[in-house]
Amino acid sequence: NAGVTQTPKFRILKIGQSMTLQCAQDMNHNYMYWYRQDPGMGLKLIYYSVGAGITDKGEVPNGYNVSRSTTEDFPLRLELAAPSQTSVYFCASSYSTGGSRSSTDTQYFGPGTRLTVL
Amino acid sequence: GNSVTQMEGPVTLSEEAFLTINCTYTATGYPSLFWYVQYPGEGLQLLLKATKADDKGSNKGFEATYRKETTSFHLEKGSVQVSDSAVYFCALSGSARQLTFGSGTQLTVLP
Repeated sequence: NAGVTQTPKFRILKIGQSMTLQCAQDMNHNYMYWYRQDPGMGLKLIYYSVGAGITDKGEVPNGYNVSRSTTEDFPLRLELAAPSQTSVYFCASSYSTGGSRSSTDTQYFGPGTRLTVL
Repeated sequence: GNSVTQMEGPVTLSEEAFLTINCTYTATGYPSLFWYVQYPGEGLQLLLKATKADDKGSNKGFEATYRKETTSFHLEKGSVQVSDSAVYFCALSGSARQLTFGSGTQLTVLP
């Protein structure tokens, strides 16, 4: 099992450019997440998905879009890159059978993509 | 809303020293609590978790007890090693399985 994979590892963008950060998991997890990690800060949730075809906003969704056409893949799209989007981006996945409002599920993280917008 | 407050770092210890990293939380309902660790250049990985009050999570010599009365989940290890050098994140899981993270604590263990 490769677990959660992310590409690219590093990227430099110019202001206004667009790009897609790729994320794939081979654990047949139904939930997938995108986080950003700014220096000295904890991770903040951008978007998440509870299954193929279903996505929802997290805490900081502005400037990003996602889609989930398959269980395995969950790409994150930046349409008009801005310096404020300079960050490290982590994709994660988990398996949930639903039920209680508070989850005990373990999230599995990819190695991250370091993005710089100049 | 939910929030996690973590002891600020960085923390530098000598090998075999005792480690405590404080974590307190604010949440509605009954969240699950987690400690994640991030080694240099890697993604986060689960260190331990506790899902209800008075539960103790443990792994690799690390322990943390879910204290509802003090809304705390402090991380402890009796004897740290150089290989424990990493960033440690306290987190809670609320509704919709979303994790709320603390700001992280950088630990450096010197030989």
